[in-house]
Amino acid sequence: QKEVEQNSGPLSVPEGAIASLNCTYSDQGSQSFFWYRQYSGKSPELIMFIYSNGDKEDGRFTAQLNKASQYVSLLIRDSQPSDSATYLCARKGYSGAGSYQLTFGKGTKLSVIP
Amino acid sequence: DADVTQTPRNRITKTGKRIMLECSQTKGHDRMYWYRQDPGLGLRLIYYSFDVKDINKGEISDGYSVSRQAQAKFSLSLESAIPNQTALYFCATSDDWEGAGYTFGSGTRLTVV
Repeated sequence: QKEVEQNSGPLSVPEGAIASLNCTYSDQGSQSFFWYRQYSGKSPELIMFIYSNGDKEDGRFTAQLNKASQYVSLLIRDSQPSDSATYLCARKGYSGAGSYQLTFGKGTKLSVIP
Repeated sequence: DADVTQTPRNRITKTGKRIMLECSQTKGHDRMYWYRQDPGLGLRLIYYSFDVKDINKGEISDGYSVSRQAQAKFSLSLESAIPNQTALYFCATSDDWEGAGYTFGSGTRLTVV
């Protein structure tokens, strides 16, 4: 069973709307969560990191974490066509011997329609 | 200059050939990773290294080998390339604390014909 699950999409939203991307995970020991944005053919780039329950805001982006329900979400306000990309959710959990590793979801493709 | 540099950016090779993908970093991170990405399958971990003397297999290491030549350099080799190794390959680095994310290189698009 994949540890990090995302709806593959595509998720289409009109320009200016709020895009809501969701991710669920199965490991209750998960500590930190990351959102990456990946444009087609390009490398993933880190946009948000969250480790505490609740919301974390950075500009137009808000990450939300609910450890009891084991989900994490990313909200993009005032969506722009340039936000069209695949968004990867990743959880960082303890992998033994004092180390932590990221496990990635397969990503959700977002399309912002002008 | 990029923090994580991969060479080559694109490569077309023939079945059965040996090929090496190289990764170098200026982040000063001990941890380095090789991933491949295929449409619909997401990022899959091939190998990872936590320091120069440490090499670990990921979920899809068959057909691949790696070498950690220095803290800053981590190479991935395909000993005998096959068409289903056609993919986008990424190198990544990270610091070794819980809140550290990964920094990815720009990727190598490999085509095996």
